Amino acid sequence: DTEVTQTPKHLVMGMTNKKSLKCEQHMGHRAMYWYKQKAKKPPELMFVYSYEKLSINESVPSRFSPECPNSSLLNLHLHALQPEDSALYLCASSRAPLGSGGDYGYTFGSGTRLTVV
Amino acid sequence: AQSVTQLGSHVSVSEGALVLLRCNYSSSVPPYLFWYVQYPNQGLQLLLKYTSAATLVKGINGFEAEFNKSQTSFHLRKPSVHISDTAEYFCAVSGPGSARQLTFGSGTQLTVLP
Repeated sequence: DTEVTQTPKHLVMGMTNKKSLKCEQHMGHRAMYWYKQKAKKPPELMFVYSYEKLSINESVPSRFSPECPNSSLLNLHLHALQPEDSALYLCASSRAPLGSGGDYGYTFGSGTRLTVV
Repeated sequence: AQSVTQLGSHVSVSEGALVLLRCNYSSSVPPYLFWYVQYPNQGLQLLLKYTSAATLVKGINGFEAEFNKSQTSFHLRKPSVHISDTAEYFCAVSGPGSARQLTFGSGTQLTVLP
């Protein structure tokens, strides 16, 4: 299995809703990432988990709450989002966590297209 | 800190032509460099990566890139493009160790015309 699976593929939510995005990989990767991508822009890093611990939070608003229940799963909990949060949310994983050597590239999922209404 | 600059936000070429997508990097340490492709409404797919081995790197779908340390470049090329190569292409850089975060360039939209 060489994939990162993200669910759902599409999500429409109101500003008062609570929803979660899910990401799963079975490649034994020990680093997992959440990226946000607006249209016609490059992905922007949101969170990094290394060995299931949050390593980097790129000053993301608290309405986004990540969770890493185990080495294969990564969730992003959403609450009280704003319309400007509408974007493609990408999950990625890499074999090497921060602080280790190696050239390991990232494997990306196909993303969740989120629309906040 | 490391960064990449992609020259040309849009490139249009005819099917069968050579295409060159430009990427220059800035890094205080030997970088790892990547090219990713993103098809419409999809995630990112790794095309190829440079990891301080051979300077000419061959990737998937007939793409290749050459690492040039003196020019701090990592340009992507394909000798003969197909309409199916129409997509957004991102150059990215990461450092070793704690600087492993992947930093993307602004992207180049490649349109292949029939």
